[in-house]
Amino acid sequence: GAVVSQHPSWVICKSGTSVKIECRSLDFQATTMFWYRQFPKQSLMLMATSNEGSKATYEQGVEKDKFLINHASLTLSTLTVTSAHPEDSSFYICSARVPAGYTSSLNVLTFGAGSRLTVL
Amino acid sequence: DAKTTQPTSMDCAEGRAANLPCNHSTISGNEYVYWYRQIHSQGPQYIIHGLKNNETNEMASLIITEDRKSSTLILPHATLRDTAVYYCIYRSYNTDKLIFGTGTRLQVFP
Repeated sequence: GAVVSQHPSWVICKSGTSVKIECRSLDFQATTMFWYRQFPKQSLMLMATSNEGSKATYEQGVEKDKFLINHASLTLSTLTVTSAHPEDSSFYICSARVPAGYTSSLNVLTFGAGSRLTVL
Repeated sequence: DAKTTQPTSMDCAEGRAANLPCNHSTISGNEYVYWYRQIHSQGPQYIIHGLKNNETNEMASLIITEDRKSSTLILPHATLRDTAVYYCIYRSYNTDKLIFGTGTRLQVFP
């Protein structure tokens, strides 16, 4: 089945440093991927839509200069948290649409396992 | 944004059926109902989706009312591993965005 892989699964960094999280579609091509953020005991919040070969589309209230998204290939999107601060500590999750043929259900989004960022 | 209403939490005994309700009174004709679940500290997992007919797969059944304003996800024989937060979401078929609500925290007990 279609798999979305995220790396790293967890990362700890010092305040002021930048952290890159990768999201890969392992056995299918994804022209569009989505990045979510989830704080403890809260629901997932959509941050941005990552489009292969073009600029990402950010949701209202999400700082595009803070959360840099690059979708340079059909199987890889990256999220870079720049100058991270403790309030950026969160669970970051990406997703991609499963193309027809991979499951019996069309138009399903599959999610990665998430990347937990802790900023000290 | 598409809005759904779900109970905050539910309990279910292991082996019994878990029936999770969802209200989506503002759903429009071309919008599908999707159910996902999230086990602690993992990414959401797709369960099932439907438009207006009831659906069944190896994980669950989805019952959608005739007016499409509500639906029920049924886990026929809940196990301890079904303990998770269950999200009911609806979106247009040609839109990939999924906007998550607060979901229902299902606790399956022995």
